[in-house]
Amino acid sequence: DAKTTQPPSMDCAEGRAANLPCNHSTISGNEYVYWYRQIHSQGPQYIIHGLKNNETNEMASLIITEDRKSSTLILPHATLRDTAVYYCIVRVHTDKLIFGTGTRLQVFP
Amino acid sequence: SQTIHQWPATLVQPVGSPLSLECTVEGTSNPNLYWYRQAAGRGLQLLFYSVGIGQISSEVPQNLSASRPQDRQFILSSKKLLLSDSGFYLCAWTFGVWTDTQYFGPGTRLTVL
Repeated sequence: DAKTTQPPSMDCAEGRAANLPCNHSTISGNEYVYWYRQIHSQGPQYIIHGLKNNETNEMASLIITEDRKSSTLILPHATLRDTAVYYCIVRVHTDKLIFGTGTRLQVFP
Repeated sequence: SQTIHQWPATLVQPVGSPLSLECTVEGTSNPNLYWYRQAAGRGLQLLFYSVGIGQISSEVPQNLSASRPQDRQFILSSKKLLLSDSGFYLCAWTFGVWTDTQYFGPGTRLTVL
């Protein structure tokens, strides 16, 4: 059973920030929030993960609310190559990755 | 750096024919290996995982099997393909079982006719 809820699709203009939301209201204290993305006909690609604090890497930023019931993945300057399905996954480090249906992000020129 | 390979990239097979998909990892030792399947428009379904040579755990009972004859080689097989076996097959690896981010291969697109 998926522990997260994501919108099925979103659009974003090229060069603008893409903000992808994820609800995980039943998250437990030891569960991390992971984000992967899958570009069409390719394998999923790890983006970022976090537990409580906001995280940033070269690909994206992850903002987790204080109650940890939701989070937002931010792609600061979306490009056409960021068009993909984005998966938000909640798991304990020792759990399997369970992929839901994700959010299909379409970046347009 | 580590890389993961899968072949073939695409495959079209008739119903009832056998299947063998191969996955190899380079640049690491003792990886944990995983097979996933993604049906058209669906999420990823974990099929098998392996923590070492000859050690296979099955997640979903079906007509597929997996083997790990060498440390960095993972093979997905079937004796007789079904139409429902069509999909995108992905191999992945981690350093530890479930304890790290998973890195996926490029995938094999299988069409069973």
